[in-house]
Amino acid sequence: DTGVSQNPRHKITKRGQNVTFRCDPISEHNRLYWYRQTLGQGPEFLTYFQNEAQLEKSRLLSDRFSAERPKGSFSTLEIQRTEQGDSAMYLCASRPGGGTYEQYFGPGTRLTVT
Amino acid sequence: KQEVTQIPAALSVPEGENLVLNCSFTDSAIYNLQWFRQDPGKGLTSLLLIQSSQREQTSGRLNASLDKSSGRSTLYIAASQPGDSATYLCAAHSRASRESGANSKLTFGKGITLSVRP
Repeated sequence: DTGVSQNPRHKITKRGQNVTFRCDPISEHNRLYWYRQTLGQGPEFLTYFQNEAQLEKSRLLSDRFSAERPKGSFSTLEIQRTEQGDSAMYLCASRPGGGTYEQYFGPGTRLTVT
Repeated sequence: KQEVTQIPAALSVPEGENLVLNCSFTDSAIYNLQWFRQDPGKGLTSLLLIQSSQREQTSGRLNASLDKSSGRSTLYIAASQPGDSATYLCAAHSRASRESGANSKLTFGKGITLSVRP
């Protein structure tokens, strides 16, 4: 257990529904990342927060996706009008500022869109 | 744009073998390189992190090396055991984009699925 938690761990939804995932980073970590991993692939970067500011967004993050980190602590990732292609593992990671740049990953949320 | 490659995609060895997993990356301007283990359906477990200024790191039966100039890293596993069976991913930590200044991200390879036969 790295200290990063994600909820829910599994989510099954029907195409067209909206879903929201939550990530709670290690408390003193001000940097937070979201990644997406599809079957047989390595994780791909989605977005990055420093405190509450979203500083980087991948082109993978279509306008159906939105991420927030309202108080610089936990973060949410929402997917609107889900599509089957959104089925994946969504991973959250956090790290402190400066230092080793080591990222600590949560257990992930597995999304299945039927 | 950083690209990370891991070849082969899968490897099967008998128990007790020493083995080397390879990772290559295209942009040598990295902050560090991290090796992860992933069991089926699970999240990522960090194994070793090598800073850009370091050449290698060791933890137990694992040893990771880094050669920035050639864009390569290797993960050496000594005396492999069936419990080592998993997917091993390497990830290069570098700038998120040309415009991003200090913003950074991990770029992962696709992983090597290792099976250690008893």
